[in-house]
Amino acid sequence: GQQVMQIPQYQHVQEGEDFTTYCNSSTTLSNIQWYKQRPGGHPVFLIQLVKSGEVKKQKRLTFQFGEAKKNSSLHITATQTTDVGTYFCADGTSGTYKYIFGTGTRLKVLA
Amino acid sequence: DTEVTQTPKHLVMGMTNKKSLKCEQHMGHRAMYWYKQKAKKPPELMFVYSYEKLSINESVPSRFSPECPNSSLLNLHLHALQPEDSALYLCASSDGPGANVLTFGAGSRLTVL
Repeated sequence: GQQVMQIPQYQHVQEGEDFTTYCNSSTTLSNIQWYKQRPGGHPVFLIQLVKSGEVKKQKRLTFQFGEAKKNSSLHITATQTTDVGTYFCADGTSGTYKYIFGTGTRLKVLA
Repeated sequence: DTEVTQTPKHLVMGMTNKKSLKCEQHMGHRAMYWYKQKAKKPPELMFVYSYEKLSINESVPSRFSPECPNSSLLNLHLHALQPEDSALYLCASSDGPGANVLTFGAGSRLTVL
């Protein structure tokens, strides 16, 4: 079945450093969604990418969708302690209710 | 603040108990979901209701029994659970399939003794 892997599994950064997580699928993605889950919290939607090669920005966060629609990345510039949490990508396959979540990347930011 | 409300926030139960988790959304969403999340793992889909009908059951053991009384409510009935069923149970809703965003509740943390 479809697998959505994320690397790295964990990342510790000093506050102010940049951070990137990569999401790779074994099959072509219809679209990719990104969620953030704070420690002790629940996943919260960040953004959705639909088009091949799409790039979207939210303040310090930059999201990219690969040309072949099999991978995506989330880049955070100048991390802050509020960025701490686990970042999940999810494949929202059109026409189905099966959202497949990636394995997640846990980010710790050291002040 | 979440627009999907789950109760209880915490639940401790024995293996012979019967309990229920409840979820409510007032966004008019047509689909509601139960996910199970173990520590340091991604959410795992359990059930999906679309227009109040069960549309996906991911081969979940029968000791978990979902119910959708109406378009705003979703229950998960629990009976004869095992300690390995201890996890965070997340309810979510969406306006439709696929490209629609999932809105999660805060979750119910279940401990089975």
